[in-house]
Amino acid sequence: ETGVTQTPRHLVMGMTNKKSLKCEQHLGHNAMYWYKQSAKKPLELMFVYSLEERVENNSVPSRFSPECPNSSHLFLHLHTLQPEDSALYLCASSQDRRGGSPLHFGNGTRLTVT
Amino acid sequence: GQSLEQPSEVTAVEGAIVQINCTYQTSGFYGLSWYQQHDGGAPTFLSYNALDGLEETGRFSSFLSRSDSYGYLLLQELQMKDSASYFCAVLNQAGTALIFGKGTTLSVSS
Repeated sequence: ETGVTQTPRHLVMGMTNKKSLKCEQHLGHNAMYWYKQSAKKPLELMFVYSLEERVENNSVPSRFSPECPNSSHLFLHLHTLQPEDSALYLCASSQDRRGGSPLHFGNGTRLTVT
Repeated sequence: GQSLEQPSEVTAVEGAIVQINCTYQTSGFYGLSWYQQHDGGAPTFLSYNALDGLEETGRFSSFLSRSDSYGYLLLQELQMKDSASYFCAVLNQAGTALIFGKGTTLSVSS
């Protein structure tokens, strides 16, 4: 399997649930990202990992907790979310963090918080 | 702060040429990227301009003017499959990741 794979594709959770989103990249890239995409704020950067070290937390609430156990896997742990957190969560990877290094996105997890 | 401005919607007919503009404000500039996203799909990389001028890749071209903080994506010989959202992007001020404009929805009709 190649590219960036995200699971699950769809997730419905209540405000008191705890769930995790998973991302896996098979491209040998060194950087991984979480972006949130909603109608109000398309493609909003959340977290950046470079060589498994978090290098950016874009003022994201603590109810979102990322984890990068190795350079191929990235998780987003969710707990006590709010309805306004309903959105498409996109994972991406890139060879490095230079501006010209293309991002490769997964197909996203469509999250609905009820 | 940083900002990217692009039109929200553009419409065109098959076979036409369309230009999607992007103006940006950023304290450190490392190039302008363009991404395409079809409805329900993942964003995919189209082009990157680090230097002034026009870069051509098949039917798509991208232009950058660093002095004007401006760039555009030019789509020629439009096809129905080009109907999608197009995002311009620059590196954030920390130099850690791309930030994106709000996107331009292109609708191509027959």
